[in-house]
Formats: sequence, structure tokens, C-alpha cells
Amino acid sequence: NAGVTQTPKFRVLKTGQSMTLLCAQDMNHEYMYWYRQDPGMGLRLIHYSVGEGTTAKGEVPDGYNVSRLKKQNFLLGLESAAPSQTSVYFCASRPSGILAGGPETTDTQYFGPGTRLTVL
Amino acid sequence: RKEVEQDPGPFNVPEGATVAFNCTYSNSASQSFFWYRQDCRKEPKLLMSVYSSGNEDGRFTAQLNRASQYISLLIRDSKLSDSATYLCVVNKPGGYQKVTFGIGTKLQVIP
Repeated sequence: NAGVTQTPKFRVLKTGQSMTLLCAQDMNHEYMYWYRQDPGMGLRLIHYSVGEGTTAKGEVPDGYNVSRLKKQNFLLGLESAAPSQTSVYFCASRPSGILAGGPETTDTQYFGPGTRLTVL
Repeated sequence: RKEVEQDPGPFNVPEGATVAFNCTYSNSASQSFFWYRQDCRKEPKLLMSVYSSGNEDGRFTAQLNRASQYISLLIRDSKLSDSATYLCVVNKPGGYQKVTFGIGTKLQVIP
């Protein structure tokens, strides 16, 4: 049981290049999220998904696209990278509905190890 | 006003000390509250939930004050291994369980 995995762990891009970050989870969770974390700021939600085939915008969606073709995978794409997208990207997942154990069981988000992206 | 506010610190405390962090939130309709721990260059991990009645787990105690809209985390008998950033997390009412993260409070326990 690997939990939430992210690939790649590190990447350096030049301005204008494109790339895709992959998030995979093996916990059969319905909800998945992409965040970015920057110094002096809390984690900010980029996009999220409440199930296979669905996606929605978060707080800072501009410049990013996502897809959730399979329940276990959530992809984050940068079509034309900009220096402002230099950040640490975290993927997270959590179950839906109400589970035994209360909010700590249902509402807890499980994070991947992160992808450090630098755009030059 | 930010949705979730935390003092970023750093809080430098000696081993064995007791330290407390507060976090204020702006949406009175929020229902779920958490403290996450984030080690340097690692992902956040759940430390504990914060229940209306308070929650204690070993040396850690979390409290919720709905009237004043803040949550607190108390760490007793600090260990070197407690050095980390502590993130306050509050749910966004309105479905799909989105949450707001505070910027985190950095704790450094010194020998």
C-alpha cells in the first residue's frame, strides 16, 4: 500500500515549456486535490476532483489544467510554464462520505511527497 | 481578514518546555478543524483533529473556541523531534470538503 505517490520528484523547466505532474493513489479515494506551496503562504488549492471524470477549479487555477480519467490518477498539466509557477506541488486524496471514526477518518487528506518545480 | 491566520514564528523553545500555538479562522460556519505537522521539505501529515470538547493525544492537546473563532495546540515536554512547522487547517463550508491551510507556525526545539 503505497498511499499517494507523485512523479517526478524534481523538475527544472524553461519558460514556455510544458509538463505533466502525475499523482496516483491506491486507497480508492474519491476526492483528489492539487496544491501549491510557496514561502510565506499556506497551501493553495489549484484544482480538485470529486470523482473519476470530474474536475473543478480551486483558488489558483490559472495556467494549469487537470484530468482524472482513472479514479486512482490525477494529472496536473502546465501548458506554458512561467517563472511564477516555481513552487512545490502537493497532491492529496481523501475518501468521500461519512466513515466510522468521525471527521478524522473522513476529512483527513493524505498527501504525496511533493514535486519541486523550478521554472527558469 | 485572512480565512485562517497563524503566527509564523519561529518559536524557539528549550527541550522540556511547554509551548502553545493559536490559530484564528474567519468563517463561523466552519465545522472541521485540524492540526497538521510538516517537516522540512516533506509533505503535511495529520497531527490531530480538533473537537468541540477538546482533544488530547499524549503530550499534545488541541482546543476549539467557537465563540472567539480560534483553535489552539499545546505541546508539553517538548522533544527535539517536535521541531517542525504546524499547520492549522479549517474546512470550507459548502461541500466537497475543501479546506484552508494556514501558513504554519515553525517550532524549533533546542537542546
